[in-house]
Amino acid sequence: DQQVKQNSPSLSVQEGRISILNCDYTNSMFDYFLWYKKYPAEGPTFLISISSIKDKNEDGRFTVFLNKSAKHLSLHIVPSQPGDSAVYFCAAMPMDSNYQLIWGAGTKLIIKP
Amino acid sequence: DTAVSQTPKYLVTQMGNDKSIKCEQNLGHDTMYWYKQDSKKFLKIMFSYNNKELIINETVPNRFSPKSPDKAHLNLHINSLELGDSAVYFCASSHLAGGHNEQFFGPGTRLTVL
Repeated sequence: DQQVKQNSPSLSVQEGRISILNCDYTNSMFDYFLWYKKYPAEGPTFLISISSIKDKNEDGRFTVFLNKSAKHLSLHIVPSQPGDSAVYFCAAMPMDSNYQLIWGAGTKLIIKP
Repeated sequence: DTAVSQTPKYLVTQMGNDKSIKCEQNLGHDTMYWYKQDSKKFLKIMFSYNNKELIINETVPNRFSPKSPDKAHLNLHINSLELGDSAVYFCASSHLAGGHNEQFFGPGTRLTVL
């Protein structure tokens, strides 16, 4: 039973354009969401997070949007750069969960020159 | 400089053997984790220790035993290795504060059981 879903296994975007990565969740008890980036043969690295009391959080080229009614969040990267090519994981934390994170399967982003 | 380190990076071993993976963090965090990334690339939490106390213990075979000698170390010992244990194992750490949990990951240990 996947509580966090990233339905696109891969996404290809032209350099300089906007990359939009999507994540859907089923558990209404999730109250904190994170995006991680992972290069091959490395561990995931934290990118950006958002609390359920907000609908947007921005950090440089990265913006995360949260739509609680649709149980959907998205990560926007603009402009996309070649170094952004990686696998992106969405993760969610339920309230009262001992801070456990529930992870999506990841989306592989490929930035074309 | 390395924030979260794991050793070894690669581990190839025979079925039935016992092996350990070590993890150390120099970030001063109070919580450490072990994850397994399976063949479908899902990251699944196995264990979590907060201040050397076990706080998350997901359903894993009891052949897997975490050991936390101090807050900076969380080692994973696996007895009687099986083919299905082949995976990438990630260690992570975080500081639990304010309801947030940005975890910092090690580079992973690729375990291959033959």
